[in-house]
Amino acid sequence: DTEVTQTPKHLVMGMTNKKSLKCEQHMGHRAMYWYKQKAKKPPELMFVYSYEKLSINESVPSRFSPECPNSSLLNLHLHALQPEDSALYLCASSQDGGGGAGEQFFGPGTRLTVL
Amino acid sequence: GQQVMQIPQYQHVQEGEDFTTYCNSSTTLSNIQWYKQRPGGHPVFLIQLVKSGEVKKQKRLTFQFGEAKKNSSLHITATQTTDVGTYFCAGWTGSQGNLIFGKGTKLSVKP
Repeated sequence: DTEVTQTPKHLVMGMTNKKSLKCEQHMGHRAMYWYKQKAKKPPELMFVYSYEKLSINESVPSRFSPECPNSSLLNLHLHALQPEDSALYLCASSQDGGGGAGEQFFGPGTRLTVL
Repeated sequence: GQQVMQIPQYQHVQEGEDFTTYCNSSTTLSNIQWYKQRPGGHPVFLIQLVKSGEVKKQKRLTFQFGEAKKNSSLHITATQTTDVGTYFCAGWTGSQGNLIFGKGTKLSVKP
């Protein structure tokens, strides 16, 4: 299995809702990432988990809360989001311990719309 | 801060023409990676370059890493409609931190 899966594919939520994005990989990769991508922009790093521990938090607002329950799963909990948080949220994984040493495998993303 | 500049932002070509996108870093890189994102898709890894002056080929794609390890290019020979998408370079300095993505070059190919 050489893919990263993400659910849901699409999500529409109100500003008072609480929702979660899920990501899964079964490649034995040691690092997992959350990126945010706006239209016509490159992926923007949010969080990196290395060996199940949060290693990078790119000053992301607390309304985004990551969680890594085990080495294969990564969640992003969303609460009290703003319309400007609407974007494609991409999960990625890499075999190395995190950073940029090796290839990152991206999931298909969750298209999030905040009303 | 560290930056990776990528040009051009857009490129429109006729099918069969060549295409090149360039990346330039403000700092020396340990490696540079290239990704392709099809419209409506997600980034897909193409290649990683590590050595100074390295050149790698994948069929019609040629990737180069500069001697100073600060710049890189991707050249596509005889473009096809399947080459359509946005090509991102992403550099890593080797110290703490993640890949630094360029802004991407969006390639459109007219049949």
